[in-house]
Amino acid sequence: DTGVSQNPRHKITKRGQNVTFRCDPISEHNRLYWYRQTLGQGPEFLTYFQNEAQLEKSRLLSDRFSAERPKGSFSTLEIQRTEQGDSAMYLCASSLARHNEQFFGPGTRLTVL
Amino acid sequence: ILNVEQSPQSLHVQEGDSTNFTCSFPSSNFYALHWYRWETAKSPEALFVMTLNGDEKKKGRISATLNTKEGYSYLYIKGSQPEDSATYLCAPHNNAGNMLTFGGGTRLMVKP
Repeated sequence: DTGVSQNPRHKITKRGQNVTFRCDPISEHNRLYWYRQTLGQGPEFLTYFQNEAQLEKSRLLSDRFSAERPKGSFSTLEIQRTEQGDSAMYLCASSLARHNEQFFGPGTRLTVL
Repeated sequence: ILNVEQSPQSLHVQEGDSTNFTCSFPSSNFYALHWYRWETAKSPEALFVMTLNGDEKKKGRISATLNTKEGYSYLYIKGSQPEDSATYLCAPHNNAGNMLTFGGGTRLMVKP
C-alpha cells in the first residue's frame, strides 16, 4: 500500500500521560500536514511541514503539542500531559506541493480518560 | 481562518433518491475547492478539486459545480446507493493559505 499510513489507529490513555503518533506520508510528497477532527466538526489544521521544516502552526497547537519530521519523511506528533479535551481523531495528510491535492491517512483516534 | 459552512449537517435518504449538498465559503482570494468523501474507519478520499468559476466535475453518479464569485459549491448524488453513506467534506484553499479549511461536513445515510 503506497498511501499515507498512521500508527496507532487507536490510542486510549489516562489524563496526564504523554502520547506519540506517527505518520508515514506518500514517499515522494514533500509536504505533510496534521489535522484534528472532533465529533460533529470538520478536520482543523494543526501544523504542516515542507520537507523537515515546520513552517506553520495553528493556534490550536498548544505548548503541550510538538511535531517533528526529522528527515523529511515520516512525522511524529506528541501530546504531553494529555487532557480530556485532547480526545479527537488526529489526521495526517501529504501532498506534492502547496496547492496540490492532499492525500489523507486513516487517522489515529485518541481517547483520554 | 476561512468561514466554511456546509448544509445540511445530516441527511437520510432512501436508496435511489437523488440528493445535493451545499458548501459556502469566502470568495475573496479563492484558489481551489476540494471535496472529500469520508467513510467511517477509512481515510478521507478526494472526490474533486475545482478551481475555475463555473467548473462542473463528474465522477460516476457524483457531480459538483462551483461558483467562485458568490462563494458556493454544490455536490449532487444521482440515484443514491447504501455505499454512498459517508460524510462529505468541502475545503476551500485560498491563495494565502497552506492548509485546507474544512466545513463541518454533511453526513449522508442511504437506507436500502
